[in-house]
Amino acid sequence: KNQVEQSPQSLIILEGKNCTLQCNYTVSPFSNLRWYKQDTGRGPVSLTIMTFSENTKSNGRYTATLDADTKQSSLHITASQLSDSASYICVVSAGNQFYFGTGTSLTVIP
Amino acid sequence: GAVVSQHPSWVICKSGTSVKIECRSLDFQATTMFWYRQFPKQSLMLMATSNEGSKATYEQGVEKDKFLINHASLTLSTLTVTSAHPEDSSFYICSAPTRLVSEQYFGPGTRLTVT
Repeated sequence: KNQVEQSPQSLIILEGKNCTLQCNYTVSPFSNLRWYKQDTGRGPVSLTIMTFSENTKSNGRYTATLDADTKQSSLHITASQLSDSASYICVVSAGNQFYFGTGTSLTVIP
Repeated sequence: GAVVSQHPSWVICKSGTSVKIECRSLDFQATTMFWYRQFPKQSLMLMATSNEGSKATYEQGVEKDKFLINHASLTLSTLTVTSAHPEDSSFYICSAPTRLVSEQYFGPGTRLTVT
């Protein structure tokens, strides 16, 4: 069964600290994996996309990793800011099929 | 990058009325669009897949007669919530995938409140 699981479900960190979000998947055949950031009341916005051959991709303070062997991905946020408070969604695609994780809700507090 | 728009961004309607939400791909053609519903503090839930020129495909548990989907052109899909009830109040989001890189672009969402 194609599934995408994210952990933790929610996370609270102090401003300036780093954090790592996890995404495990069982989707096959794998096309790509994307991390989205969704602010409250807004649509998701893409942060990174990785194909099978890529194992790391950065976008500013966001760094995503992918281990295609273990089918795991992580999103590392460096020097968190208050504006990083949002839901982070992992989406794995298999051709034209998209499988969504349940998201991690991140709250950055001053 | 590709842009997907939704209209309206928010709507308040009375119970029993119908509401139409539009989803447009602004700079690319989309033969397929997806409609999602999202309740507070929950993840996106796929409702249906909108197919240009043919019937939509609905996920299990989604009433096709209540959530009417029309994909009349390669850039426009509409979701009509018929005979809306307060429990239909939710955040509705559409997305459109591009063909080349298996990418999905999301609309900004529509907040529906049924009173």
